[in-house]
Amino acid sequence: AQSVTQPDIHITVSEGASLELRCNYSYGATPYLFWYVQSPGQGLQLLLKYFSGDTLVQGIKGFEAEFKRSQSSFNLRKPSVHWSDAAEYFCAVGDSNYQLIWGAGTKLIIKP
Amino acid sequence: ETGVTQTPRHLVMGMTNKKSLKCEQHLGHNAMYWYKQSAKKPLELMFVYNFKEQTENNSVPSRFSPECPNSSHLFLHLHTLQPEDSALYLCASSQDGTGGYNEQFFGPGTRLTVL
Repeated sequence: AQSVTQPDIHITVSEGASLELRCNYSYGATPYLFWYVQSPGQGLQLLLKYFSGDTLVQGIKGFEAEFKRSQSSFNLRKPSVHWSDAAEYFCAVGDSNYQLIWGAGTKLIIKP
Repeated sequence: ETGVTQTPRHLVMGMTNKKSLKCEQHLGHNAMYWYKQSAKKPLELMFVYNFKEQTENNSVPSRFSPECPNSSHLFLHLHTLQPEDSALYLCASSQDGTGGYNEQFFGPGTRLTVL
């Protein structure tokens, strides 16, 4: 069955430090992969998506993600986090019905 | 108003009440979605409407009844809910009904508490 796993429920990093959020998926065909962010009290916003081509994808707010087919992973990275990055991050994969299968999310906490 | 708006933002209801959630999108999209978000669980897709026609119903209990009068408005009618229905209900829209391909735009959600 198709699934998305985000192994970390929450992650704490210091402001200015680098960030990597993990995402693993299970999907038979070439996946459409997404990262969304949900700031407190707000709806989800698309950070970036991967369909094909270059496996390193650039998104908004300085985020990037790398698709690794051999590891079934699509990890999100940022070289230097800001306090405003504190939010919950969701990885998702498009299924055969063109709908999203979501991970359970990773809450990012920023230490001053 | 811009983007996707949802009202009310918070709702407390008893198990015998009837209430409705409203969603409006100002993006000119043709598809709208209802999701249920519970703590520490993946988002659950409930319903999808594409050009006002329901295209997805993920085995949602009949106590949730969606209505889509036009491409800009989406309602979720609630009746005889259970405490386990307490959650954040998110509305989203996209250009068409392929939310697993096209970007979805989300509203801020309605926090529902069932007593």
